[in-house]
Amino acid sequence: AQTVTQSQPEMSVQEAETVTLSCTYDTSESDYYLFWYKQPPSRQMILVIRQEAYKQQNATENRFSVNFQKAAKSFSLKISDSQLGDAAMYFCASQGAQKLVFGQGTRLTINP
Amino acid sequence: GAGVSQSPSNKVTEKGKDVELRCDPISGHTALYWYRQSLGQGLEFLIYFQGNSAPDKSGLPSDRFSAERTGGSVSTLTIQRTQQEDSAVYLCASSLGSPGQGTEAFFGQGTRLTVV
Repeated sequence: AQTVTQSQPEMSVQEAETVTLSCTYDTSESDYYLFWYKQPPSRQMILVIRQEAYKQQNATENRFSVNFQKAAKSFSLKISDSQLGDAAMYFCASQGAQKLVFGQGTRLTINP
Repeated sequence: GAGVSQSPSNKVTEKGKDVELRCDPISGHTALYWYRQSLGQGLEFLIYFQGNSAPDKSGLPSDRFSAERTGGSVSTLTIQRTQQEDSAVYLCASSLGSPGQGTEAFFGQGTRLTVV
């Protein structure tokens, strides 16, 4: 079975500062992928970052980076230099051989 | 089309009626997913198609829910005898490869279903 848990329903950060969103997951599969997706008020889900579980190196995409701790089954997202456009729901997801499973989401507010 | 298209964008129906929700995936995408998102909540997995086959139907909440995919393209999610608790946004996503390949899922804008 695959499960994804996001323990922070809401987070807020001052513009230009750094924020970290937490995610833990559980899977019985040996090969899997992890993602962070963003859902702004428009409701359109957008991929933020992707991590292959077999890679030890943490993925980075511009201001977005992850801290992937495989043994702890932890996959946090760090957003640096937060911008007003980063305000959205953020979903952590785990993809195994048969399905793509999402967490409950974290609503991120950016304070100007 | 350029992206995943879902129709209708909004649907209001009376309790007890049947509804059909449609998803047109990106051309060439073999994997298709359906999710349910209740107000302000996470995405609840419903079903996954690889081509026309559904290897995993484990998320369908009850036997009132069914889904099919034809020609490896368009998919329809049908809810029979709708109940008020079925009110939610139904999201569809497609990806180029199977889940085990870790390819990005592209989402539609969703269908907001309201059962009155």
